[in-house]
Amino acid sequence: DTGVSQDPRHKITKRGQNVTFRCDPISEHNRLYWYRQTLGQGPEFLTYFQNEAQLEKSRLLSDRFSAERPKGSFSTLEIQRTEQGDSAMYLCASSLPYTGSEGNTIYFGEGSWLTVV
Amino acid sequence: RKEVEQDPGPFNVPEGATVAFNCTYSNSASQSFFWYRQDCRKEPKLLMSVYSSGNEDGRFTAQLNRASQYISLLIRDSKLSDSATYLCVVNPPNQGGKLIFGQGTELSVKP
Repeated sequence: DTGVSQDPRHKITKRGQNVTFRCDPISEHNRLYWYRQTLGQGPEFLTYFQNEAQLEKSRLLSDRFSAERPKGSFSTLEIQRTEQGDSAMYLCASSLPYTGSEGNTIYFGEGSWLTVV
Repeated sequence: RKEVEQDPGPFNVPEGATVAFNCTYSNSASQSFFWYRQDCRKEPKLLMSVYSSGNEDGRFTAQLNRASQYISLLIRDSKLSDSATYLCVVNPPNQGGKLIFGQGTELSVKP
């Protein structure tokens, strides 16, 4: 399978614990995005990388959230001291370089479901 | 005002019906527009891009009205398999390809 892969697919954790999600993008894609989605809502942008550089972070990404893409390939999203409000599906997506003059098709992984109890 | 707004539905229609979804966006300088489809508890998948001249892909037709900042998706002869949530997606200018999603419109096609 050469699509975007995410791991783990499901995570149940106790409030206050730390969790980490991993994303492996499509191999030739240099852009990688993290989104969060809760029930009944569309995906909300969290952050994105071009190669290893983190170019933008949403206000939604509090100090408890950190994302890395150390070698410009896979990425991790860590949530520290989880809260019940962090329960959501965390979606990773990747795309080819953005040219600015045409649509930017992004391809999503299957998501990582987080439940904080 | 949200950057991308959609009627959340749900839209309940019989098989064979024609159904239309609308979406408005706030940034008039937005460049690119898409419709994504999302099945229950699955990831969003690109359904079609939306071009200024309008475009059609089989039973699906997308239209863009830049003056009104309005995007539409028309599904003709709806099938049971069309049941899903349809997400309106906008690529705002000068934001490096980031996509902004509407909250989605749920469609349920009944036999």
